[in-house]
Amino acid sequence: DAGVTQSPTHLIKTRGQHVTLRCSPISGHKSVSWYQQVLGQGPQFIFQYYEKEERGRGNFPDRFSARQFPNYSSELNVNALLLGDSALYLCASSPEGAMSSSYEQYFGPGTRLTVT
Amino acid sequence: EDQVTQSPEALRLQEGESSSLNCSYTVSGLRGLFWYRQDPGKGPEFLFTLYSAGEEKEKERLKATLTKKESFLHITAPKPEDSATYLCAVLTGGSEKLVFGKGMKLTVNP
Repeated sequence: DAGVTQSPTHLIKTRGQHVTLRCSPISGHKSVSWYQQVLGQGPQFIFQYYEKEERGRGNFPDRFSARQFPNYSSELNVNALLLGDSALYLCASSPEGAMSSSYEQYFGPGTRLTVT
Repeated sequence: EDQVTQSPEALRLQEGESSSLNCSYTVSGLRGLFWYRQDPGKGPEFLFTLYSAGEEKEKERLKATLTKKESFLHITAPKPEDSATYLCAVLTGGSEKLVFGKGMKLTVNP
């Protein structure tokens, strides 16, 4: 079975530019979450979407936005890139939302974003 | 604010030398505690979910346990291929997000 897929795998952008990262969840999974992981730290929660609705948002500025499509795939958009946005961006999918009694997230390989 | 602390930050073991990794948490209403393994440059790989104090789960050389304040990941007779960063995360009441610790880098020497 295919796991969570993310594209692109690597990306280099310049400060002030905009970036779009894409994620396809495991087949049958309805929830997608986005995390940012900087080197040496654990992942930090950015967004969760379930059934195409935003269900949670972390402490990130409004430059970060996301959406989920009818096929449950998702996009993360970051505007006006800063050097500090350089990180590994992870997408995770789960069968149901976080309020279900059994909740497990499966991560994709991530997109490595470098801002110069 | 929910907090997750992992210790030690790094651990070097000889092949076959068993040890334990600790994850302590301060949260408002634990709904689940998760262990992941992460190899360099890759996404975290799901290992275990624990839902209540006293629960234990095993997978090959790994065993995870949970108390009301902490979780342990016991590694029995580790092999070099167990070398990775191990992440602990919690899901709390009313929250939609996993809160992760910083991770613990394990190196197993042959």
